[in-house]
Amino acid sequence: DIQMTQSPSTLSAFVGDRVTITCRASQSISTYLAWYQQKPGKAPQLLIYKSSSLQSGVPSRFSGSGSGTEFTLTISSLQPEDFATYYCHQYDRSPFTFGQGTKLEI
Amino acid sequence: EVRLVESGGGLVQPGRSLILSCAASRFTFRDYGMYWVRQAPGKGLEWVSGISWNSGSMAYADSVKGRFTISRDNAKNSLYLQMNNLRDEDTALYYCAKSPAGAEGGFLDYWGQGTLVTVSS
Repeated sequence: DIQMTQSPSTLSAFVGDRVTITCRASQSISTYLAWYQQKPGKAPQLLIYKSSSLQSGVPSRFSGSGSGTEFTLTISSLQPEDFATYYCHQYDRSPFTFGQGTKLEI
Repeated sequence: EVRLVESGGGLVQPGRSLILSCAASRFTFRDYGMYWVRQAPGKGLEWVSGISWNSGSMAYADSVKGRFTISRDNAKNSLYLQMNNLRDEDTALYYCAKSPAGAEGGFLDYWGQGTLVTVSS
């Protein structure tokens, strides 16, 4: 199975900061990587797919990059509503695994 | 907007069975792959199972393989998860989710609100 490792597990930041979350795959997944945001008590929401494609309706301050085994999610200028938990997800090969999550907090 | 509504969760004893359902609406259900993803209390997301648009292909996480069966009824716009021989570690909120493609693998563009399964004696 492909293991997905996110870093850091927790990230403290301020409104207006630029932040980057990293996701590493245990083997190459090309660009078959998605990012989701989850707020407490809510279902996850898709932010990014195919490593760098922005889902419709998602603010442009979110961006993704990477290929192979290393990927990043960047938020260019944190807004109060961005404080949440973020998950990466590989969909190259079954079983289609998630990272353990990165909690972004103030 | 796409609507996914899960049901069937509840309290069940270890070793027993449960069937989860997901009612889909506001999109052409038969065209898309569908998935189950779970989240144990206070933990991260775990992909459980996926099924292609025509039920021709299914996939399972190692942790549920041989115990859980995913199925769908395109005439009823419904997705199911038959869960047998339940274990304590299956306790989680189970989400139904949709792929933008027809295969059993892919990213998840819409999610339901989940149904809670608690396995306990």
